[in-house]
Amino acid sequence: KQEVTQIPAALSVPEGENLVLNCSFTDSAIYNLQWFRQDPGKGLTSLLLIQSSQREQTSGRLNASLDKSSGRSTLYIAASQPGDSATYLCAALYSNYQLIWGAGTKLIIKP
Amino acid sequence: ETGVTQTPRHLVMGMTNKKSLKCEQHLGHNAMYWYKQSAKKPLELMFVYSLEERVENNSVPSRFSPECPNSSHLFLHLHTLQPEDSALYLCASSQRAGPYEQYFGPGTRLTVT
Repeated sequence: KQEVTQIPAALSVPEGENLVLNCSFTDSAIYNLQWFRQDPGKGLTSLLLIQSSQREQTSGRLNASLDKSSGRSTLYIAASQPGDSATYLCAALYSNYQLIWGAGTKLIIKP
Repeated sequence: ETGVTQTPRHLVMGMTNKKSLKCEQHLGHNAMYWYKQSAKKPLELMFVYSLEERVENNSVPSRFSPECPNSSHLFLHLHTLQPEDSALYLCASSQRAGPYEQYFGPGTRLTVT
């Protein structure tokens, strides 16, 4: 069964710290892996997409890595800010349509 | 603005009502998706449309009826819903149905009373 797991479920850190969010997937035959941000009561904002042939993608203070062999992806956030507080979701694409989602990591950055 | 809009943003309906959710994408994409996000559960794919043709129906009850009149618009018609159908309904679009980045709308928060 294809599953995506995100650990931890919640994380609270002081402003300015660097942090890593983890995503693991049971089936390594993914097409791509996507990281999203969701603010309370809002929709999803795509942060980074990593194709299966890629190892990492970067956007500003965000860096996402992908290791298919170990079934893991990480989202690294540098110099965290209170505005980074949100729920972060990862999703693995296994077919033309089927995105398998993690349950998310709720991140709180304390000023 | 994400380029994908959804209306209404909030909807409260009784179990005997009929209502519709609307999604519109301004990105020139050819694939559109409906997802359901319930509290404390991962997102669930409901329907996929590619070039206005339904290509995926993920075992969704018939009380949910999608419609895609053109590649820019997607509707979800609702009738005789149950309280457990209360959730955030998200629409997304992508360039084509396949390994392409999906762009999401803000969602419709549905409450069934």
